[in-house]
Amino acid sequence: NAGVTQTPKFQVLKTGQSMTLQCAQDMNHEYMSWYRQDPGMGLRLIHYSVGAGITDQGEVPNGYNVSRSTTEDFPLRLLSAAPSQTSVYFCASSETGGRDIQYFGAGTRLSVL
Amino acid sequence: AQSVTQLDSHVSVSEGTPVLLRCNYSSSYSPSLFWYVQHPNKGLQLLLKYTSAATLVKGINGFEAEFKKSETSFHLTKPSAHMSDAAEYFCVVSDASGTYKYIFGTGTRLKVLA
Repeated sequence: NAGVTQTPKFQVLKTGQSMTLQCAQDMNHEYMSWYRQDPGMGLRLIHYSVGAGITDQGEVPNGYNVSRSTTEDFPLRLLSAAPSQTSVYFCASSETGGRDIQYFGAGTRLSVL
Repeated sequence: AQSVTQLDSHVSVSEGTPVLLRCNYSSSYSPSLFWYVQHPNKGLQLLLKYTSAATLVKGINGFEAEFKKSETSFHLTKPSAHMSDAAEYFCVVSDASGTYKYIFGTGTRLKVLA
C-alpha cells in the first residue's frame, strides 16, 4: 500500500517557468490538500478538495492552480514560478476531511532561482 | 474561525526527563485536535488525535495529550524523553463547521540533550 505519493522529490526552476507537482493516493480518500512549509511558519494550506470535481482555496492560494479530475490524483500547478514559491510542498489525504487523520506524502523541495 | 498557537518555538530537555509541548487553540465549534511529528527531512506522522471522546488521549511512542476545554489547551507530554524524540512537532485543529480545513501551528522544535 503506497499511501500518498508525491513527485518529484526535488525541483529547481527559473523564475517564470511553470511546472506541476504530482500527488496520488491509493486509499480512496475523498479529501486531498496541498500545503507549503516554510521555516517558522508551520504548514500553510494552499488548496484543498473534498472530492473529484470540487476544489477550494486555502490560506495561500495565489500563484497556484489545482484540479481534481479523479479521486486518486490532485496535481498542483505553478503557472509562473517566483522566488517566493521556494518552499517544501506536502500533499495530504484523509477520508472525508475535518475530523479524519491526514496522511502525508514525503514532500517536494522546490527552489525557484 | 479556527486558530492554533504553539507557545514555544524551541524546547530543550535532557534525555530521561519529561517533555511538555504546549498548544492552545481557538474554534467556534467542537474541535478535532491532532499532534503530528516531523523528523528531519521527513514527512509528517500522526502522534495522536482527539475527537470528543476521552479527554486524555494516548498516542504512539509514549506520548499523550490532554484536552482541556476550559483552558482551550491540548498540551503534549511524555514522561521520559528519548534521543529519538528530537524532531519538530505540530499541533493541528479542525472543526465541524463544514470548512474541512486543518489549521497548523507554527511548530515546536524539540531538542533532546544526552
